[in-house]
Amino acid sequence: DGGITQSPKYLFRKEGQNVTLSCEQNLNHDAMYWYRQDPGQGLRLIYYSQIVNDFQKGDIAEGYSVSREKKESFPLTVTSAQKNPTAFYLCASSIPGQGYYGYTFGSGTRLTVV
Amino acid sequence: SQELEQSPQSLIVQEGKNLTINCTSSKTLYGLYWYKQKYGEGLIFLMMLQKGGEEKSHEKITAKLDEKKQQSSLHITASQPSHAGIYLCGADKSGMGFGAGTRLTVKP
Repeated sequence: DGGITQSPKYLFRKEGQNVTLSCEQNLNHDAMYWYRQDPGQGLRLIYYSQIVNDFQKGDIAEGYSVSREKKESFPLTVTSAQKNPTAFYLCASSIPGQGYYGYTFGSGTRLTVV
Repeated sequence: SQELEQSPQSLIVQEGKNLTINCTSSKTLYGLYWYKQKYGEGLIFLMMLQKGGEEKSHEKITAKLDEKKQQSSLHITASQPSHAGIYLCGADKSGMGFGAGTRLTVKP
């Protein structure tokens, strides 16, 4: 079955370390997105990519970096410059121009920085 | 990104009761999405509304978009424990923006 796989589900890191969250999809979707969710808040867009080798900053890109070398993969690196990295991270994908189907989301990675 | 306000923030209802969640936009909506999220999981797409006055239903959940396309409501009829979760509205513009969500608890 097609879907989006985020790994790992739980991740613990020490303060000051960079960490990379994985997101892989086999839906053949062109667009991919990264969101951050904090308790009591909705989702905030970090980065998105509409096509391979191209990506744009979202509302809260500072302290994060991404790459899009393959259509299937959109990894997110949380750098030591991100001041409050502990959060729930969600990856999503979609077919641009076919908004009727909405976005497909992964099951998320909960990052805890100690 | 589109600013979306949801109300109420949280809702506790007795099983079998009806309920309504609202989503209001500061701008005209050209596509309004409803998602459901179980705690600690990803979002599940429920439905999308595009035309003013449009109404869609999925099982016991009905969503409407007003004529001015600035407000949407999500109505659940005869709520069940399986309806519990966080409901989020979203609007797509260079990456979907979301409201803060409404946390629904259904008491058996």
